[in-house]
Amino acid sequence: SQQGEEDPQALSIQEGENATMNCSYKTSINNLQWYRQNSGRGLVHLILIRSNEREKHSGRLRVTLDTSKKSSSLLITASRAADTASYFCATDAGGFKTIFGAGTRLFVKA
Amino acid sequence: NAGVTQTPKFQVLKTGQSMTLQCAQDMNHNSMYWYRQDPGMGLRLIYYSASEGTTDKGEVPNGYNVSRLNKREFSLRLESAAPSQTSVYFCASSDRVTGSTEAFFGQGTRLTVV
Repeated sequence: SQQGEEDPQALSIQEGENATMNCSYKTSINNLQWYRQNSGRGLVHLILIRSNEREKHSGRLRVTLDTSKKSSSLLITASRAADTASYFCATDAGGFKTIFGAGTRLFVKA
Repeated sequence: NAGVTQTPKFQVLKTGQSMTLQCAQDMNHNSMYWYRQDPGMGLRLIYYSASEGTTDKGEVPNGYNVSRLNKREFSLRLESAAPSQTSVYFCASSDRVTGSTEAFFGQGTRLTVV
């Protein structure tokens, strides 16, 4: 069974708008990561937030983590057509088994 | 830096055939992983190798074997391919020793079993 569940499954927005994706998970974690996957390519790491952190920023990315609700959100501000991709959350509960969710497909219209 | 390199990029097999997917990383990472990605399922861990000389099962190991040949290379073998193994396979590596769990992925191998 998957640890992370992203919501929505798909999102279509206009260039310049903000995109918000959510991730829920089931068990306690050490950290949560977000990855991007362009069509036909491998995953690329975007940002990691540790369990004792509540918010983290990287460029146009803002990630929040609420461990009490076992949820995280990824906000991409001022979206660009180049942000069109699938976005995955991945949870690390220790050991070596990072678990990925099914992903959110983001389409940014120019 | 090449990062994580997988070969081949595409492969078509007949049911019952065998093949080995190759993976190599040049980042001196200790840990390596094999995932499969199916539509709507995200990535599922097949096997991983925490360090050179060790391998362990992940979420979906049945029908697969792995070999950690050395620190750089981690191969995935399908002994008798089945249509259910049609998928995109990704190799990844990370440096768990330093505490970082950021994973670096290869470009994937698209496998079709007919």
